[in-house]
Amino acid sequence: DQQVKQNSPSLSVQEGRISILNCDYTNSMFDYFLWYKKYPAEGPTFLISISSIKDKNEDGRFTVFLNKSAKHLSLHIVPSQPGDSAVYFCAARYFGNEKLTFGTGTRLTIIP
Amino acid sequence: DTAVSQTPKYLVTQMGNDKSIKCEQNLGHDTMYWYKQDSKKFLKIMFSYNNKELIINETVPNRFSPKSPDKAHLNLHINSLELGDSAVYFCASSQESGDNEKLFFGSGTQLSVL
Repeated sequence: DQQVKQNSPSLSVQEGRISILNCDYTNSMFDYFLWYKKYPAEGPTFLISISSIKDKNEDGRFTVFLNKSAKHLSLHIVPSQPGDSAVYFCAARYFGNEKLTFGTGTRLTIIP
Repeated sequence: DTAVSQTPKYLVTQMGNDKSIKCEQNLGHDTMYWYKQDSKKFLKIMFSYNNKELIINETVPNRFSPKSPDKAHLNLHINSLELGDSAVYFCASSQESGDNEKLFFGSGTQLSVL
């Protein structure tokens, strides 16, 4: 039962351009969404989050957009830098349940 | 001075064996977790402990037994290993239970069951 889906296993973007990573979810109870970033041989690290009461949250070069009606969120990175090359996981949870449900990740490669 | 360290990094073993993975955090956090990333890349929580007490226990075979001797350590024992147990196991910690934004992960243990 794949409640959080990242349909693009990989994405390549030119340095300096915008990277857009997508995530879809099926459980309408989810009300909090997070993105984690993972480098090889390391554990995931928290990047940015958004609550369902918002449709956008920005932190420096990273912006997450939430479209509740479409059950879709996206992570925008602009401008993309070589250090952004990593696997990005989308995760979700709902109020009263602290467990995170993760997607399968998207491998982002920034081409210099 | 790694924040969350787990050992070993790689573990190759035969079916039927019993093995343990150790995890230690030096962040002073109260909550520790075990996650499993399977071959399809799904990352799923297995257990969480808060101050040595079991909080989350997902539907995991009882061959998996977490043990928390103190709040800085959460070890994972696996009995009678099966092929399907092959995965990457991540330990993590946070100050409070459910504090997902401040979740610190270890670098993972790649378990291969032959």
